Order: sequence, then C-alpha cells, then structure tokens
Amino acid sequence: GAVVSQHPSRVICKSGTSVKIECRSLDFQATTMFWYRQFPKQSLMLMATSNEGSKATYEQGVEKDKFLINHASLTLSTLTVTSAHPEDSSFYICSARAPVGYEQYFGPGTRLTVT
Amino acid sequence: GIQVEQSPPDLILQEGANSTLRCNFSDSVNNLQWFHQNPWGQLINLFYIPSGTKQNGRLSATTVATERYSLLYISSSQTTDSGVYFCAVEETAGNKLTFGGGTRVLVKP
Repeated sequence: GAVVSQHPSRVICKSGTSVKIECRSLDFQATTMFWYRQFPKQSLMLMATSNEGSKATYEQGVEKDKFLINHASLTLSTLTVTSAHPEDSSFYICSARAPVGYEQYFGPGTRLTVT
Repeated sequence: GIQVEQSPPDLILQEGANSTLRCNFSDSVNNLQWFHQNPWGQLINLFYIPSGTKQNGRLSATTVATERYSLLYISSSQTTDSGVYFCAVEETAGNKLTFGGGTRVLVKP
C-alpha cells in the first residue's frame, strides 16, 4: 500500500514552453501533497505544500507564477512549470501524506530537461 | 526553521561490513523518516521513527527524541545498499519535512 505515482518520468522541452507533471496517490486519499526539487548530488528542497481544494503554500524564494500547483482531488496534484528555462532543469519529486499520522510517501520523480 | 545534519557525508564499505549513520536535528519533531534514494532517484521509505527503535531485516533505527538525534544501522552490508540515505524531520510546530544533506554510501564487493 501507500503508492505514489508521477507522470511523466522524464521530459525534455524547449525553452519557453510549459510542462505539466502529475502526482497521484494510487491507494489512499491525500489531503496534503508536497512538491520537491532536487539538483544533482544535493538534498531535496521543498517547493510548495498542496492542500486539496485550496491554494498551495509556496516556500520562500519559489515563484508561484512560474510553478503552478493544482490539487484538484484527493488523489491528484499537478505541477506546471510555465515558460521553462534551462535553469529549471532539475529532478522534481512529489509526496503525499498518509491519511493518518505524519508519514509521507514519495513518487518516483520527474526529470525535466529544458533545452 | 529546523536544522537537520547528517553524518558522515560519504561512506565507503566493504561488503559484509556494518555501519551507523547519524541524524541530528535542532528542535522537537513529530515526524522523523529515513529514506534510501536508489540510483534512479526513487525515495524508498525505510523507517517512520519519531521515537524509539525499529528493525527491518538488516536495517534498524533508533531515535532519541529528547536528545534530538537518530541513528540508522546497516548490518552485513550488500552492494544493493549503495545509494544516498536521507533523514527528514517535521518539527512539531510545522507541516513539512526538512531533509538533511544525506549520506552517500558505496558498498564495494
């Protein structure tokens, strides 16, 4: 149980285009999902907290107009990178909080390359 | 915000060796998790352990919440144990995980 999926696993796009990443909790409902970013050989940095039915809470320094988050249902959150640039190239990982307690479960990640 | 420090940053082991990874944190927590990030980037949940001791096969973990540290023990290491081990905590007053810098483990055959 407690499986989180992400789609796509890998995406290459041209500078200036937008990319949408989906995060789904497959076997449980998640009122709270999280989006992280990880650069090579670095730790995970939280970008935003996504609560179902309300606006996302962004961490300091994260541009909310560039990284659009929508948590439309209890099993789906999406991250849209708008007008992507090469510096947005990174590994994006989502997680979902278990329905009881505080444990988080992570998706397999999406590797974004902007050319 | 809460600070999370992991040590050592890098660890090279001979297959069969035992090792201990440490995670220090700066404030009270209601969640502490250990993860193994595999070469493909997937974070594997190892332990949810805000306090106490747990064991799962060759791995075990202990968190001493009052002293603000957690230890991850790897016994009889195997090459498949290679990867990065992360500790992450959620402070009592917060609603998000803060990750440590990780320990990069390489197990040589």
